[in-house]
Amino acid sequence: DAKTTQPPSMDCAEGRAANLPCNHSTISGNEYVYWYRQIHSQGPQYIIHGLKNNETNEMASLIITEDRKSSTLILPHATLRDTAVYYCIVSVNDYKLSFGAGTTVTVRA
Amino acid sequence: GAGVSQSPSNKVTEKGKDVELRCDPISGHTALYWYRQSLGQGLEFLIYFQGNSAPDKSGLPSDRFSAERTGGSVSTLTIQRTQQEDSAVYLCASSPLRFLTGVGELFFGEGSRLTVL
Repeated sequence: DAKTTQPPSMDCAEGRAANLPCNHSTISGNEYVYWYRQIHSQGPQYIIHGLKNNETNEMASLIITEDRKSSTLILPHATLRDTAVYYCIVSVNDYKLSFGAGTTVTVRA
Repeated sequence: GAGVSQSPSNKVTEKGKDVELRCDPISGHTALYWYRQSLGQGLEFLIYFQGNSAPDKSGLPSDRFSAERTGGSVSTLTIQRTQQEDSAVYLCASSPLRFLTGVGELFFGEGSRLTVL
């Protein structure tokens, strides 16, 4: 599976949009982009996934560049409860997901 | 409950002892996964069960690790002759039958924290 690169940490103001970048320059055509998050002492929580098109659900939006070499997860209105480690994963299979170090997002009041 | 249930939530054991960790997936989910997370690290895939198919055991780190899933529901992860490096949070996840894309959402439990002294 392709490797991903994420910034180790970022801060966000409560109520503002949080834009989390992810680079996956070696992604292959049949690999999906997944985003999960892990709030302290809890199991990971699925957020969203996509292949080529941008995706939106009740939690977030996923913007994938046309060449698919990078993507951005957007939390439209960050709240304190969004403070977590966010993982960007690319994979053909959805069970052998390789969780890296992720981005630690801290939402500040 | 409605979510994935794992027990025990915490387990402290002595080096060399055997431990069993239990996972009760969401009712109706056909796929079950075990991952582990060492302190400050990302998740490491261990094993995957899908229906009646042979499990994918490719992530098990050694032959001291084994897992079974009885009746297509509850799963037990067994670690024999535990070592200090086995200390980690062991996470179980389940997912429903995937659609044509074969892609689905994994629902994780809270994990079992294992400490080997």
